[in-house]
This record gives sequence, structure tokens and C-alpha cells, in this order.
Amino acid sequence: ETGVTQTPRHLVMGMTNKKSLKCEQHLGHNAMYWYKQSAKKPLELMFVYSLEERVENNSVPSRFSPECPNSSHLFLHLHTLQPEDSALYLCASSQVETGELFFGEGSRLTVL
Amino acid sequence: QQQVKQSPQSLIVQKGGISIINCAYENTAFDYFPWYQQFPGKGPALLIAIRPDVSEKKEGRFTISFNKSAKQFSLHIMDSQPGDSATYFCAASSGGSNYKLTFGKGTLLTVNP
Repeated sequence: ETGVTQTPRHLVMGMTNKKSLKCEQHLGHNAMYWYKQSAKKPLELMFVYSLEERVENNSVPSRFSPECPNSSHLFLHLHTLQPEDSALYLCASSQVETGELFFGEGSRLTVL
Repeated sequence: QQQVKQSPQSLIVQKGGISIINCAYENTAFDYFPWYQQFPGKGPALLIAIRPDVSEKKEGRFTISFNKSAKQFSLHIMDSQPGDSATYFCAASSGGSNYKLTFGKGTLLTVNP
């Protein structure tokens, strides 16, 4: 059973909706991540929260907004998304010192 | 610009055969090279990883071969089994920032019984 839990597993939203994805890790790690997985494309790192520092991929549109209230919880707030944002959004955690990523099962997002 | 190029995109192997997936990188500062395995409906999971101080690392049926001068590394799956059918991703990172991985596009492996 994964130590990284993501909810919801599936989400369908219109372009004017506001929704959030949630991630929780039970592994005691000190870094959490959001990745975007699209068909036939590399996993794309969106955001990293590490040791209370936030690192972001500058190519991620501002309609994606992360929040990390503590070391165990991570959110991705979504607003005014576009159909091309439809993808699998993966949360991961790691211990920065070792580097191994532990992924959740993902949230499948469909934007109509 | 993609920094880690992975091939082939898909691979079909018979049970008991050898599966080989290749990756090439451009950034000579990369010093950590993991492979992740992803089954349908699941997130990727670390399979095996190597650092450039060795040319080969073996764990069970899985072996990473690393060629620093050619900037290439590959995953070999010996005695491939239907249960190995999954998508495999190579990745790389540098400078102790192991958490900032750059991934390849993935290889869909199908092992026929």
C-alpha cells in the first residue's frame, strides 16, 4: 500500500470551475512534489516543497497554485483550466538526502 | 528541450527473453540515474539506480549499464516475465539535487507469455 495518498482519483471540471487536488504522505519525508504526466511526454516537474522552501518550474501556468501547509500535506489548487491541462497529476515525496521519489497513484484530471 | 532521450518508445518481448531500454543524456553534470517502473493505474516506483562511479549495477533480473564517455545508460531485464509488463522511465539529476529529476518519455514494455 502506497505511503502517498492522493484525492480525488478522478476529477472532471469545466474551464470556469475551481477545484483542488490533495496529497498526503505518511513516510516522514521532508520534500513533496507535483508532477504532470501526459501521454507520450516526459514526467514534468511542476512544484517542489523542500525543507520549507518552494521551487517551481517557471513554465507552469499561474492557473495552477500549490499549497504546502506542513511537511505531510500538499495541495494543488486549480482555476480557469484549459482542455490541454487534462492529464494525470502525480504527487510524490522523498527524503531530500536520499532522493528516491515515492509516488501516489495520481489524480486523473479532465477539463471540458 | 528534452535532456534525457529514451528509446524505444515501446517494446515487445517474449517470455524468457531480454528486454533492453536505452537512455542518453546531454548534461555532463548529471550524477544520479534511476529507473522507475509504472504499472497501469499506479504511480511510478523506483526500480534501480546508479551513480557514475560504477559501470554496472545488478539487482536480481534487472541491470543498469552505464557508459559515462558516451553519456548513455541502459536497463536490461533478463528472463523477462509477463509481470514485467509496464512502462519504464529513466531519469537523471545532478549536484546533490536528487529530487530535481529529469525524466525520459518512457518505454511501454509488453512481455508475451
